[in-house]
Amino acid sequence: GAGVSQTPSNKVTEKGKYVELRCDPISGHTALYWYRQSLGQGPEFLIYFQGTGAADDSGLPNDRFFAVRPEGSVSTLKIQRTERGDSAVYLCASSLVRNADTQYFGPGTRLTVL
Amino acid sequence: AQSVTQLDSQVPVFEEAPVELRCNYSSSVSVYLFWYVQYPNQGLQLLLKYLSGSTLVKGINGFEAEFNKSQTSFHLRKPSVHISDTAEYFCAVRVQGAQKLVFGQGTRLTINP
Repeated sequence: GAGVSQTPSNKVTEKGKYVELRCDPISGHTALYWYRQSLGQGPEFLIYFQGTGAADDSGLPNDRFFAVRPEGSVSTLKIQRTERGDSAVYLCASSLVRNADTQYFGPGTRLTVL
Repeated sequence: AQSVTQLDSQVPVFEEAPVELRCNYSSSVSVYLFWYVQYPNQGLQLLLKYLSGSTLVKGINGFEAEFNKSQTSFHLRKPSVHISDTAEYFCAVRVQGAQKLVFGQGTRLTINP
């Protein structure tokens, strides 16, 4: 079946602009996660959704970052007033609640802020 | 807070040689342990996981890992590597009762013919 998909695969923007990154989880997965992977580092947790609600947003670095999942499926990560330090690969993962230990990752969106 | 340390950023080995990728973690509570692999231009894929029970865990592609609670380690091993094992390997932990994964910084495994 289809895995986790993310669009766009690449996004180049200018400092100060607003961007939206989209994640389509595996069908039927109620849990959805966003991570950020900087060059040469492991992924860092940003936010976790259970259904439509953000159950843990402790990893969001500041209030420029926001994520939504209005219908409990697709999620959008929104970054306002982008900064060069936001450049990274943004990863999305999803899982079943009853098998929450296995998170399935998408290919990521590479964000470059000029 | 939890942390994961992968002691080697790069590991070069010859094809058909054995390999061990080291992972140590720090946590004041019980954790679940994972190894993920990231092949070039692909997403993260689960190799294996330790939840409970036997401390020796077998995963895909001939990899295995052993959980050592006293040494807080979860080293990944393969007795004979192939060129196709060239990838970045990430160790991760998840605290029981929480959902987020905490990753190490990764180990780049390079297989030389």
